[in-house]
Amino acid sequence: DVKVTQSSRYLVKRTGEKVFLECVQDMDHENMFWYRQDPGLGLRLIYFSYDVKMKEKGDIPEGYSVSREKKERFSLILESASTNQTSMYLCASRRLKGTGVPYEQYFGPGTRLTVT
Amino acid sequence: DQQVKQNSPSLSVQEGRISILNCDYTNSMFDYFLWYKKYPAEGPTFLISISSIKDKNEDGRFTVFLNKSAKHLSLHIVPSQPGDSAVYFCAADLTGANSKLTFGKGITLSVRP
Repeated sequence: DVKVTQSSRYLVKRTGEKVFLECVQDMDHENMFWYRQDPGLGLRLIYFSYDVKMKEKGDIPEGYSVSREKKERFSLILESASTNQTSMYLCASRRLKGTGVPYEQYFGPGTRLTVT
Repeated sequence: DQQVKQNSPSLSVQEGRISILNCDYTNSMFDYFLWYKKYPAEGPTFLISISSIKDKNEDGRFTVFLNKSAKHLSLHIVPSQPGDSAVYFCAADLTGANSKLTFGKGITLSVRP
């Protein structure tokens, strides 16, 4: 059973703080993703990674950075948290396409981040 | 430019009836489509998928239909149950080993007892 875990379910931070969101997957998936979900805006991709030490910008990378030092771990970093980064953050992982079934993308439980 | 569109933000149906959730896409290069279900304060969970070489895929109460010429897919839930009340996201995938999913904005389904 695929498992994607996120370090916190709920987090409250102050404006200007540096925030780390951690994500770990246990299925040896090559691809990992960070999204944020906001009402009426759906799931928006922040960053993704195809392999260790590789990263690519998604649709809304501004104000965020990522780190992938190990295959199973993908971290999202808010360099200086702002109130407009209050959101639900979702991590996901997926195997490399063409390596077999299932190919679905699996999500973690999410981190509800509030920046005050 | 939104490549995956779920034009109806919400849908309400009676328990036991059919729920039909629609999704349209614009990119003809999409070759794989998925539906996810999301409860509040939880991560999305995979529901069902379909390859572009098929026009129908069924799994229990859930069936997904794909009309490539119309660039349209739909998720049918029969019979609908109160536990189906959630946000449903349609997602599309491009050809390529390291592609990323493109999601619609979601539809909130409410199943009335």
